[in-house]
Amino acid sequence: KAGVTQTPRYLIKTRGQQVTLSCSPISGHRSVSWYQQTPGQGLQFLFEYFSETQRNKGNFPGRFSGRQFSNSRSEMNVSTLELGDSALYLCASSLQGLAGVSGEQYFGPGTRLTVT
Amino acid sequence: AQSVTQPDIHITVSEGASLELRCNYSYGATPYLFWYVQSPGQGLQLLLKYFSGDTLVQGIKGFEAEFKRSQSSFNLRKPSVHWSDAAEYFCAVGAYSSASKIIFGSGTRLSIRP
Repeated sequence: KAGVTQTPRYLIKTRGQQVTLSCSPISGHRSVSWYQQTPGQGLQFLFEYFSETQRNKGNFPGRFSGRQFSNSRSEMNVSTLELGDSALYLCASSLQGLAGVSGEQYFGPGTRLTVT
Repeated sequence: AQSVTQPDIHITVSEGASLELRCNYSYGATPYLFWYVQSPGQGLQLLLKYFSGDTLVQGIKGFEAEFKRSQSSFNLRKPSVHWSDAAEYFCAVGAYSSASKIIFGSGTRLSIRP
């Protein structure tokens, strides 16, 4: 079974631009969660989508948004990029999501976003 | 509110030596606890998880962890480390409610001395 894939793997953007990151979950998984990883703040939960609906959200500004499609693929969008948005963005998929019994998540390799 | 503390930022052990990585959590009820490992340039891989039952949990790659409610700890152990164990290790706590999410610790970087 193929793992979680994220595209692109690396991205360089300029302040003020917007960016869209993509995540394809493991086949059959309906939940996709997004995390931001930085050296200073560590791993922080952004949001979770389950069956095309945002089910949970972390403490990030509205510039961070996402969506999920009927095939469970998810996209994350960051508008008006700031230098502090430079990070590794990780996507994780699971069968039932964080509210499920197992809660086991499978992570993708991440997208390294650099904002200049 | 949930929180996770990994007090050791960086640990170096010799190959073949035993390992213990510390994790303390704060949560009002019985937590769901996880250990993940992240190799350079990779995503996170689940090593083991605790939901209930036996407090000693076995995971992949020879790792185990023990849940101690009285100490609010969930330390990760391995009897003999291999050079390939060099990575960053994250402890995480989950709360399964309508606003569920997983909180990660700040991580412990493990280096292996030849």
